[in-house]
Amino acid sequence: DSGVTQTPKHLITATGQRVTLRCSPRSGDLSVYWYQQSLDQGLQFLIQYYNGEERAKGNILERFSAQQFPDLHSELNLSSLELGDSALYFCASSPSGTFNEQFFGPGTRLTVL
Amino acid sequence: AQKVTQAQTEISVVEKEDVTLDCVYETRDTTYYLFWYKQPPSGELVFLIRRNSFDEQNEISGRYSWNFQKSTSSFNFTITASQVVDSAVYFCALSERRYGNKLVFGAGTILRVKS
Repeated sequence: DSGVTQTPKHLITATGQRVTLRCSPRSGDLSVYWYQQSLDQGLQFLIQYYNGEERAKGNILERFSAQQFPDLHSELNLSSLELGDSALYFCASSPSGTFNEQFFGPGTRLTVL
Repeated sequence: AQKVTQAQTEISVVEKEDVTLDCVYETRDTTYYLFWYKQPPSGELVFLIRRNSFDEQNEISGRYSWNFQKSTSSFNFTITASQVVDSAVYFCALSERRYGNKLVFGAGTILRVKS
């Protein structure tokens, strides 16, 4: 158990809908990262937050947004969902914003029908 | 450009065999970190090791060992006396100082250990 929690574990929804994925980092970790794992794209970095501020952005679609709250939990919002958004979404956390190992949560499996 | 190549898509071995997973990386930065993660069938990503670009010492942890060679831009992972529980997908990853702490992952190597 990495200490990172993600909810829900599974999510099934329809095209065009909006969903919110939630992540609680390990106790004491200030940085949260979101990654997407799909069969065709592999594991890809989406976005990083550090102590409430956006720190880095990767291949995140405009339909996707995220935030980190004062209690350090983070939410990833996916809207206007398409079939291709079906993937495993991981949250990871690390103590600071640079060069620490990242500890991953169990992931949220999103299926868009 | 950041790039991580794991040329071995899938490897099958019999229990107790040694197996080496290859990882080759590309970077223009002089300060970078390399990582290995394990993804067992249950799906979570488990951190195995982190190595910085200034430390080329090989590392051994139980049956696991890592060989970092800057001259060939490689960071290979060897499992000695493999066990069925080692069956998983193994990912090599790179982070560069100029890009903060984001991880760039290789495509992964599926390791199947048969009893």
